[in-house]
Amino acid sequence: NAGVTQTPKFQVLKTGQSMTLQCAQDMNHEYMSWYRQDPGMGLRLIHYSVGAGITDQGEVPNGYNVSRSTTEDFPLRLLSAAPSQTSVYFCASSTGARSYYEQYFGPGTRLTVT
Amino acid sequence: AQTVTQSQPEMSVQEAETVTLSCTYDTSENNYYLFWYKQPPSRQMILVIRQEAYKQQNATENRFSVNFQKAAKSFSLKISDSQLGDTAMYFCAFKGRNKLVFGAGTILRVKS
Repeated sequence: NAGVTQTPKFQVLKTGQSMTLQCAQDMNHEYMSWYRQDPGMGLRLIHYSVGAGITDQGEVPNGYNVSRSTTEDFPLRLLSAAPSQTSVYFCASSTGARSYYEQYFGPGTRLTVT
Repeated sequence: AQTVTQSQPEMSVQEAETVTLSCTYDTSENNYYLFWYKQPPSRQMILVIRQEAYKQQNATENRFSVNFQKAAKSFSLKISDSQLGDTAMYFCAFKGRNKLVFGAGTILRVKS
């Protein structure tokens, strides 16, 4: 299994540009999430999905869109990039089973918005 | 809303010694999970240890153990026989009915 994969690893955008961060998992996990990591603030949840076709907002959803058309993929779209979105983005997945909850994280995408 | 507090932004420990990282959390739920994640300079998030709130016994994984005090809402991580490879950022995290909530992290530096 490849686990959770994210592309790209690094990205530089200009203010106002849009782009999609890709996330895929091959573990047949129901739950997938997107986090951003900023210095001194830990990881904050942007959006999450409990299964194909179902998404919901997390703590910091503004400026981001998600969709979940398949179990494997959970892309994160930046509609109009802003410098405040400069961050490291992590995708994670889990089985969601209450008796065994563990999130598997991707390697992260470092995004810089100038 | 649940909150997770890690009061130590940075800590240092000599190789082979023991260090304890603190974590407190706030919740009104009775059933939940607590986690410690390690993030080395590679940025990869690695699960270190997991504790179910309904279990009274403290979780242990090799050199890593926790002191879970449910009434005090405290969940500290003890690293024994510290190794240079333990140098990383450590995050405490809480999972209740809803989302996984992370603390701000503690940078741990192991010195030779």
